[in-house]
Amino acid sequence: NAGVTQTPKFQVLKTGQSMTLQCAQDMNHEYMSWYRQDPGMGLRLIHYSVGAGITDQGEVPNGYNVSRSTTEDFPLRLLSAAPSQTSVYFCASNRQGEPYNEQFFGPGTRLTVL
Amino acid sequence: AQSVTQLGSHVSVSEGALVLLRCNYSSSVPPYLFWYVQYPNQGLQLLLKYTTGATLVKGINGFEAEFKKSETSFHLTKPSAHMSDAAEYFCAVSNLQGAQKLVFGQGTRLTINP
Repeated sequence: NAGVTQTPKFQVLKTGQSMTLQCAQDMNHEYMSWYRQDPGMGLRLIHYSVGAGITDQGEVPNGYNVSRSTTEDFPLRLLSAAPSQTSVYFCASNRQGEPYNEQFFGPGTRLTVL
Repeated sequence: AQSVTQLGSHVSVSEGALVLLRCNYSSSVPPYLFWYVQYPNQGLQLLLKYTTGATLVKGINGFEAEFKKSETSFHLTKPSAHMSDAAEYFCAVSNLQGAQKLVFGQGTRLTINP
């Protein structure tokens, strides 16, 4: 199993540009999440999904869109990038059921917005 | 709302010394608690978790943590530090609803001195 994969690893955008961060998992997990990691702030939840066709907002959803058309994929879209979105983005997945099920994290995407 | 506070953004210990990373949480209901580790340029990996039952939880790589309800703490310890333990450590609390939405602490960077 590849686990959770993310592409690209690095990305530089100009203010106002759009892009999609890709996330895929091959563990047949129902739940998937996007977090951003900023120095001194830990990880903060952006959006999450409990299954195909179902998404919801996390703690910091503004400026980001998500969709979940398949169990495997959960892309994160930045419609108009801003410097405040410079961060490291992590995708995670876990089995449904208990709220203490382990979340498996991808390797991250480091995004810089100029 | 749940929250997590990690005391000390940087901790430095000598190889072979005791490792103690502090975590306090706030939760209106009995929490599920986690410690994750992030090695340089990698995603997060679960070290250990507390759900219910025994308050002393053992994890991978010789780490353990004790849940103390009266102190709202979940400190992480390892009796003897190894150079390979150098990483960033995150304490997290889970909500109790269906989808697991982790709330992370700010993180503690552990440095091991030879």
